[in-house]
Amino acid sequence: KNEVEQSPQNLTAQEGEFITINCSYSVGISALHWLQQHPGGGIVSLFMLSSGKKKHGRLIATINIQEKHSSLHITASHPRDSAVYICAVPTDSNYQLIWGAGTKLIIKP
Amino acid sequence: ETGVTQSPTHLIKTRGQQVTLRCSSQSGHNTVSWYQQALGQGPQFIFQYYREEENGRGNFPPRFSGLQFPNYSSELNVNALELDDSALYLCASSIGNTDTQYFGPGTRLTVL
Repeated sequence: KNEVEQSPQNLTAQEGEFITINCSYSVGISALHWLQQHPGGGIVSLFMLSSGKKKHGRLIATINIQEKHSSLHITASHPRDSAVYICAVPTDSNYQLIWGAGTKLIIKP
Repeated sequence: ETGVTQSPTHLIKTRGQQVTLRCSSQSGHNTVSWYQQALGQGPQFIFQYYREEENGRGNFPPRFSGLQFPNYSSELNVNALELDDSALYLCASSIGNTDTQYFGPGTRLTVL
């Protein structure tokens, strides 16, 4: 069993739809990262959160430490949001990230 | 734009050769981590450098080595290249090892 699991693996939606990507983890963590990887490889860190909720523009990330679950939401989705979204959690020693397999999101115009 | 750059963008080598990949971090970022991402898989942690010393290492053999320099640049060296070393190599910098990591665009290495 993977220590970090994401769902869905692939998601295709129409422009404007509300998007939810889920991440569950089995290790104890101090914080969880959500990252975005565009075609060609560049990775951008979106959020690092350890409790509650964070919002940046149309992106919202929530985490429930007790349930070991986090969600990434995108409101009013746009084709430029098409990318792979990855959640990652640090090991107890903090310097190694354990990565989820990623969710490939395609937003159609 | 994360302020982290990597060079070269693409690289083709043959088995047995050696390669050096470079990463330039944001000013003030004293921690750099290197990851290997094989096609279709998530990134795998190679090692991390903090203030020019190796601070942690994943399951990679000794032929993967690194250096970090005082000017916030770093190198990943791979000796005796194998076909399975073909991957995207990502570096990520941060202030300390618990802060948000900023990723470079990656270097795509192909080993023939």
